[in-house]
Amino acid sequence: AQSVTQLDSHVSVSEGTPVLLRCNYSSSYSPSLFWYVQHPNKGLQLLLKYTSAATLVKGINGFEAEFKKSETSFHLTKPSAHMSDAAEYFCVLNTNAGKSTFGDGTTLTVKP
Amino acid sequence: DTGVTQSPTHLIKTRGQQVTLRCSPISGHKSVSWYQQVLGQGPQFIFQYYEKEERGRGNFPDRFSARQFPNYSSELNVNALLLGDSALYLCASSFAGLAGTETQYFGPGTRLLVL
Repeated sequence: AQSVTQLDSHVSVSEGTPVLLRCNYSSSYSPSLFWYVQHPNKGLQLLLKYTSAATLVKGINGFEAEFKKSETSFHLTKPSAHMSDAAEYFCVLNTNAGKSTFGDGTTLTVKP
Repeated sequence: DTGVTQSPTHLIKTRGQQVTLRCSPISGHKSVSWYQQVLGQGPQFIFQYYEKEERGRGNFPDRFSARQFPNYSSELNVNALLLGDSALYLCASSFAGLAGTETQYFGPGTRLLVL
């Protein structure tokens, strides 16, 4: 069985401060991991994905994530938050079994 | 390029009715997946279709069914609607299915309200 746990349902940061959104996974197969962002009334947009080529993955809008197999984690970070980063973020696990599992999401609030 | 399109955008049904939702993938993509997103939760995987065959199924009752057409568009059908089926239904397309690092591209969704 596979599962994804996003450890924080809400994260609040001040503009210009670092962002950390935490994701742990469980998979019997070699995992493929993704982070998506969902702005209100907009579709899901891919931020980045882990391809096993490198454990540190860089995505769009200054986001990056580090795959740590020993910790079964794939945390999303950004050095400096911007107001436009306020949204819902989802960690996603795909396996070769043809299924895709989303975490419950983390709502990021950015205070001015 | 046109992204993933879904129709209708909004739908209101009553309990016991049946509903059909439609999805057109990005041109060249051969796989379509369907998700249910209940308010406040992450999307839940319903089905994946690749080359017109079902490749994956989530934990949904048999009231949910889908199919993929030769042009790779897809329909999701839900019979005997329940209040709990009220949700945003998302369609995603990818070139070769959900294996490995294949990226899914999501449509805007169909918001279904069951009264």
